[in-house]
Amino acid sequence: EIVLTQSPATLALSPGERATLSCRASQSVSSYLAWYQQKLGQAPRLLIYDASNRATGIPARFSGSGSGTDFTLTISSLEPEDFAVYYCQQRSNWPRTFGQGTKVEIK
Amino acid sequence: EVQLVESGGGLVQPGGSLRLSCAASGFTFSTYDMTWVRQAPGKGLEWVTYISSSSHTIYHADSVKGRFTISRDNAKNSLYLQMNTLRAEDTAVYYCARLSSWWEVLWGQGTLVTVSS
Repeated sequence: EIVLTQSPATLALSPGERATLSCRASQSVSSYLAWYQQKLGQAPRLLIYDASNRATGIPARFSGSGSGTDFTLTISSLEPEDFAVYYCQQRSNWPRTFGQGTKVEIK
Repeated sequence: EVQLVESGGGLVQPGGSLRLSCAASGFTFSTYDMTWVRQAPGKGLEWVTYISSSSHTIYHADSVKGRFTISRDNAKNSLYLQMNTLRAEDTAVYYCARLSSWWEVLWGQGTLVTVSS
């Protein structure tokens, strides 16, 4: 099973600041990595798929990069609605696995 | 409206069984692969199981293998999760999700399963 490790666990930032979230895989997942956003009491929402492709309707301030074992989700300028928990997920191997999440909170 | 609606959650005793349903509407259900993902209270997401559009291919997480069974009825636009021999650690919100380009793009609102005596 591929283990995804996200860092940091919590990121405290102010609106307008840049957020950089990391996801590291225990073995190569090529570009088969996605990022999801989850707000309290809601289902997750797909943001980025195949490492760097924005899903439909996702604002351009969200971007993804990386391949192999190291991936990054960047939010260029935090909006109030971006404070949430973010998860990475791989689909390179079964079982599909998620990282443990990074909480982006207001500083 | 394109949506997924889960049902069937509730309180069940350890060792018991429960069957979750996911009703799809607004799209051609039979052409999409589907998954179940769960989330224990206050915890992260855990992928549970996958079924292809034709039901020919199925995968389960090791944590549920031999206890949970995914199935679908394309004529009824419905996805199911049969959960047997339930344990306290199966307590979670269970989401069904539709895959597009192999990713969970459309999610239901979730149904809570509580395993407790």
